[in-house]
Amino acid sequence: NAGVTQTPKFRILKIGQSMTLQCTQDMNHNYMYWYRQDPGMGLKLIYYSVGAGITDKGEVPNGYNVSRSTTEDFPLRLELAAPSQTSVYFCASSYMGLALTGELFFGEGSRLTVL
Amino acid sequence: GENVEQHPSTLSVQEGDSAVIKCTYSDSASNYFPWYKQELGKGPQLIIDIRSNVGEKKDQRIAVTLNKTAKHFSLHITETQPEDSAVYFCAASKGGSYIPTFGRGTSLIVHP
Repeated sequence: NAGVTQTPKFRILKIGQSMTLQCTQDMNHNYMYWYRQDPGMGLKLIYYSVGAGITDKGEVPNGYNVSRSTTEDFPLRLELAAPSQTSVYFCASSYMGLALTGELFFGEGSRLTVL
Repeated sequence: GENVEQHPSTLSVQEGDSAVIKCTYSDSASNYFPWYKQELGKGPQLIIDIRSNVGEKKDQRIAVTLNKTAKHFSLHITETQPEDSAVYFCAASKGGSYIPTFGRGTSLIVHP
């Protein structure tokens, strides 16, 4: 199993450009999440999904969009990039079911710089 | 919503010393408390977790304690080693809606 795979690992954007961060998992997890990590600020939830076709906003959703058309994929779209979106982005997945393990499995992150 | 406070933000210890990281949470309905370790350039990885029906849990050199009355939980690392150097995050969540809220992280530095 590859686990959670994010692409790209690094990207530089100009203000106003758009891009999509890709995330795929091969563990058949139903929950998927997008977090951003800023220095000293911990992990802030952007969007999450509890299954294919279902998404919901987290703590800091403004400027982002997501979709979940399949169990495996959960792309994060940035529209009209702004310097405030400079951050490291982490995708994660977990299995919520009878076992209720609760563990999140994270990708290795995507470092985005907006200039 | 849930609010998780984590202290200290930086912790520097000598190899072999113990390290303690403390977290408090605000929502008394929270019942699952994981700890994640993030090494440089990597995503966080679960190292230990505890549920609200348990007061303490150990796994070799690491242990977690939970005080539900005071709404705080702590990570204890004994006999620290240089490879324990990393950022540690605590989190809290409640059953039915498994969306964890993370603390701000603690940068642990273990000096050889």
